[in-house]
Amino acid sequence: KAGVTQTPRYLIKTRGQQVTLSCSPISGHRSVSWYQQTPGQGLQFLFEYFSETQRNKGNFPGRFSGRQFSNSRSEMNVSTLELGDSALYLCASSLTGGSNEQYFGPGTRLTVT
Amino acid sequence: QKEVEQNSGPLSVPEGAIASLNCTYSDRGSQSFFWYRQYSGKSPELIMFIYSNGDKEDGRFTAQLNKASQYVSLLIRDSQPSDSATYLCAVNLLTGGFKTIFGAGTRLFVKA
Repeated sequence: KAGVTQTPRYLIKTRGQQVTLSCSPISGHRSVSWYQQTPGQGLQFLFEYFSETQRNKGNFPGRFSGRQFSNSRSEMNVSTLELGDSALYLCASSLTGGSNEQYFGPGTRLTVT
Repeated sequence: QKEVEQNSGPLSVPEGAIASLNCTYSDRGSQSFFWYRQYSGKSPELIMFIYSNGDKEDGRFTAQLNKASQYVSLLIRDSQPSDSATYLCAVNLLTGGFKTIFGAGTRLFVKA
């Protein structure tokens, strides 16, 4: 069974631009969660989607948004990029979310200059 | 108090020894507990999950959960240099809806 895929793997943007990252979960998994990982803050929860609905949200500004499609694929968008948004963005898929175990994709390394 | 706390390490053990990694959590109602291994430059990889009090063994790994003490641990037997990585403890919190909170991770070095 194929794992979680994320595209693109690397991205360089300048301040003020916006970016869209994509995640395809494991086949049959309906929950997708997004995390930001930085050396200083560790892994921080952004949001979780299940059946095209955002079920939970972390403490990030409104510049960070996401959506999920009917095939469970998910995208996250960051608008008006700031230098501090440079991070590894990880997507994790789970069968139904909640207390189920999550499996991570390889991540998208975003660098904002 | 942080929701999930781990000793950042580094924890250094000789090859063949038992590595013991610890994690405490604040939400007494938490139901699910996970250990992930993350190599430098890679994404986290799920290695163990535990839902009930007690021990759960999988190969060289044993997860231990004590809900009364709000404590979960990971033991790695016969540690190998390839086990050198950062180990992340994750807890599924009930507060504010189901969401998984990660500890900052413990760096483990296994010396050959």
